[in-house]
Amino acid sequence: DIQMTQSPSTLSASVGDRVTITCRASQSISGWLAWYQQKPGKAPTLLISTASSLESGVPSRFSGSGSGTEFTLTISSLQPDDCATYYCQQHRDSPWTFGQGTKVDMK
Amino acid sequence: QVQLVQSGGGVVQPGGSLRLSCVASGFTLSKYGMDWVRQAPGKGLEWVAFLRYDGTTKYYAASVQGRVTISRDNVNNTLFLQMSSLRPEDTATYFCAKRKGNTPMVAYFDSWGQGTLVSVSS
Repeated sequence: DIQMTQSPSTLSASVGDRVTITCRASQSISGWLAWYQQKPGKAPTLLISTASSLESGVPSRFSGSGSGTEFTLTISSLQPDDCATYYCQQHRDSPWTFGQGTKVDMK
Repeated sequence: QVQLVQSGGGVVQPGGSLRLSCVASGFTLSKYGMDWVRQAPGKGLEWVAFLRYDGTTKYYAASVQGRVTISRDNVNNTLFLQMSSLRPEDTATYFCAKRKGNTPMVAYFDSWGQGTLVSVSS
């Protein structure tokens, strides 16, 4: 199975800060990586697929990059509505696996 | 507008069975791959099961293999997860999730149900 590891586990930042979350795969997944946002008590929502393709309707302050085994999700200017937990997910191979999540809150 | 509405969760004793349902609207289930993903209380997301768009292929996580079955009713556009021999570690919120497409690498989820809680406890 492909293991996905995110860092950090938690992150506190101020409004307007640039925020970066890292996701590492235990083996190469090329660019087959998705990012989700989940707010408490809600289902996840898809932000980015194939490492860098922004989903329709997702604010442009979100961006994704990377390939192989190392990927990043960047929020260019953190907004209060971005407080949530973020998960990466490899979509290269079954079993499809998620990172353990990164909780982002306001400082 | 795509919508997934779930039902069927609840409290069940260890060893018991439960069937989860996920009614789809705004799209045809038989045109998209569908999955179940679960989340234990306070924990992360875990993929559980997959059904290929044409119904020919099913995959299961090792943690549930042999105890769950994914299926669908094309007439009622409904996805199911039949769960048996339930264990306390199966306690989680279960989400049905729609894949964005039906090709192998499009194994990511652009629509999710609201989630249904399954609690396995004596």
